Amino acid sequence: QVQLVQSGAEVKNPGASVKVSCKASGYTFTNYAIHWVRQAPGQRLEWMGWTYAANGKTRFSEEFQGRVTITSDTSATTAYMELSSLRSEDTAVYYCARDTTGWFGYYDYWGQGTLVTVSS
Amino acid sequence: QSALTQPASVSGSPGQSITISCTGTSSDVGYYNYVSWYQQHPDKAPKLMMCDVSKRPSGVSNRFSGSKSGNTASLTISGLQVEDEADYYCSSYTTSGTLVFGGGTKLTVL
Repeated sequence: QVQLVQSGAEVKNPGASVKVSCKASGYTFTNYAIHWVRQAPGQRLEWMGWTYAANGKTRFSEEFQGRVTITSDTSATTAYMELSSLRSEDTAVYYCARDTTGWFGYYDYWGQGTLVTVSS
Repeated sequence: QSALTQPASVSGSPGQSITISCTGTSSDVGYYNYVSWYQQHPDKAPKLMMCDVSKRPSGVSNRFSGSKSGNTASLTISGLQVEDEADYYCSSYTTSGTLVFGGGTKLTVL
C-alpha cells in the first residue's frame, strides 16, 4: 500500500535550518511529484513547493523563495524539504503529499506531518 | 500569491445542504479548471474531496458536488451528516505554475 512516512518532530532556534524527510513506499517513486504543504497552529494550509524525481525539477512558492530547498533521492525513494533562516512564524506542521497529476495539487496520499517548532 | 477567499464558517443542520464559496482571480480560479477541495478533521491530514472543479475522487460520497462561475468555485454538500463537520479548503493552480489554498472554512453541523 502507498505510504509516505515523515521524519520526527523538530525544535529549532530562530535563524537555524530544518530538514524534513518523506519516505515513499508502495508505488513507483519517479511516477509522481511530491509536494510540501505546511499548516501553522490553527491556520490555513500553505503550499510550499514540489519536486518531481523523474527529472529533478522543482517549483517553489514565492513566499519561500531563497529559504526553501526541495530535493529527492530516487535510490532512497525519499523527498526532502529544507527551510532555512527559521523564524517563529515558521512553527507549523509540515506535510508531504503525493500529487496524482504532477503539479495541479490533487493529493491522494499524505504523510503524517512533522511538527517543527521554532523557539529560543 | 494571496490566499483564495473562503467564508470563515458555515453551518447547517443534518439533512440540509450548504455551499462553501472560494473566490480567486483571473490568474487562478478564473483561468483554469484545476480547482480542488479538501476536508480536514482536527489533527488529521487533509482528504481530497473534489478535483477539476467538479470531479469526485473514488470513494467520495455523491453528496459532495463542485462548480465554478468566473473567479469563484463552490463546494456543495447535500444531506449534511454529523461526520461532515470539519474544515474545508479550496486550492487552485495558478498562471505562475504554483498553487494557492483558500483560507479555510469551518463547517459546523448543528
